[in-house]
Amino acid sequence: EAGVAQSPRYKIIEKRQSVAFWCNPISGHATLYWYQQILGQGPKLLIQFQNNGVVDDSQLPKDRFSAERLKGVDSTLKIQPAKLEDSAVYLCASSLDSRDNTGELFFGEGSRLTVL
Amino acid sequence: AQSVAQPEDQVNVAEGNPLTVKCTYSVSGNPYLFWYVQYPNRGLQFLLKYITGDNLVKGSYGFEAEFNKSQTSFHLKKPSALVSDSALYFCAVRDLAGGSYIPTFGRGTSLIVHP
Repeated sequence: EAGVAQSPRYKIIEKRQSVAFWCNPISGHATLYWYQQILGQGPKLLIQFQNNGVVDDSQLPKDRFSAERLKGVDSTLKIQPAKLEDSAVYLCASSLDSRDNTGELFFGEGSRLTVL
Repeated sequence: AQSVAQPEDQVNVAEGNPLTVKCTYSVSGNPYLFWYVQYPNRGLQFLLKYITGDNLVKGSYGFEAEFNKSQTSFHLKKPSALVSDSALYFCAVRDLAGGSYIPTFGRGTSLIVHP
């Protein structure tokens, strides 16, 4: 079974530039999550999708971050314009169904962003 | 609101000795608790979970965790540590009664196993 795919693995940009990350979840997983992991901290949820609908985006900085999952499969997370404090690893995860609290999350390897 | 605390930033243990990584939680209802491991430059991998039933849960790579409702703890344990167990360990919680399905993670504990 293929795992969660993310790209790019690494990205270096200057502040005020834009960047986009892509995620393809495990086939059949209805729920997709984007987490931000700053060095030395635990993952912080940015946005959670159930199919192509947003379940929670309360911690997404909407003035600069956006995410979409138009066809309920793969997803894109965009940052525009980037700030120095956005330097982090962006983790995508999927699970069968967010309405099942017992399910574990399956994570991709992450996209490491460095903002100079 | 649900929360998870991992009181130790780092745990050091000698190979062959038992290890414990601590986790406490706060929820409004019955918790669903998880442990994940993260190796360098990799995503998080699921280790084990407590949903209901036996308080001692067994998981991958010989790890186990003990759920203690009175102490609101879910400590990760292994009887004999390996150097290859060195990694970041994250505790996570999903609150059943709170209405939120969002998994919340602790800040992580770095486990270092010395040869």
